Amino acid sequence: AQSVTQLGSHVSVSEGALVLLRCNYSSSVPPYLFWYVQYPNQGLQLLLKYTSAATLVKGINGFEAEFKKSETSFHLTKPSAHMSDAAEYFCAVTEGNTGFQKLVFGTGTRLLVSP
Amino acid sequence: DVKVTQSSRYLVKRTGEKVFLECVQDMDHENMFWYRQDPGLGLRLIYFSYDVKMKEKGDIPEGYSVSREKKERFSLILESASTNQTSMYLCASSLLLRRNPNEKLFFGSGTQLSVL
Repeated sequence: AQSVTQLGSHVSVSEGALVLLRCNYSSSVPPYLFWYVQYPNQGLQLLLKYTSAATLVKGINGFEAEFKKSETSFHLTKPSAHMSDAAEYFCAVTEGNTGFQKLVFGTGTRLLVSP
Repeated sequence: DVKVTQSSRYLVKRTGEKVFLECVQDMDHENMFWYRQDPGLGLRLIYFSYDVKMKEKGDIPEGYSVSREKKERFSLILESASTNQTSMYLCASSLLLRRNPNEKLFFGSGTQLSVL
């Protein structure tokens, strides 16, 4: 069965600092991996996805993530945090090519950005 | 703009009531999903549907049922609401992956259900 583990339910950074949100996955088949963001009182929006093409994936709002098969990781980074990045971030995994986009989500990491 | 609309933002119901949560999408998507979101547990899949009148159980279907009579509408039903079903419910939709390998899930804004 697939699963994702997000290390740290809360991450605090200062504005301008590096953002690093960790995600490790478990999958018996080549996975598709996703990062979603949820702003207060909103649904989830896709930040970026990995679907077996380039291992370094660039997303919206300056975020990127690198797929590392040897480490079973898909950590999310942003070089310089902005106040507007404060939100909850979810990593998710699905089996590639299932057709149903049935995602398994992690427990989420809340990013706090201080001035 | 693509849209997934959930009928209520907040809902308060009593234990034992039958509860309907409605979700409508305007993107002609085949797949529709119901998730519940709880602090510290992330999102957990309740049910999903890949076509009209088709449904599949997700990871936590107990106490819930669904209905998909039309392609654009997917309803979540709590037959007899209980306090442990107090949660945020999120609906999502997507195209079939093989129609578009770059497809993603589109989420509604959620319904916060309180069962008293």
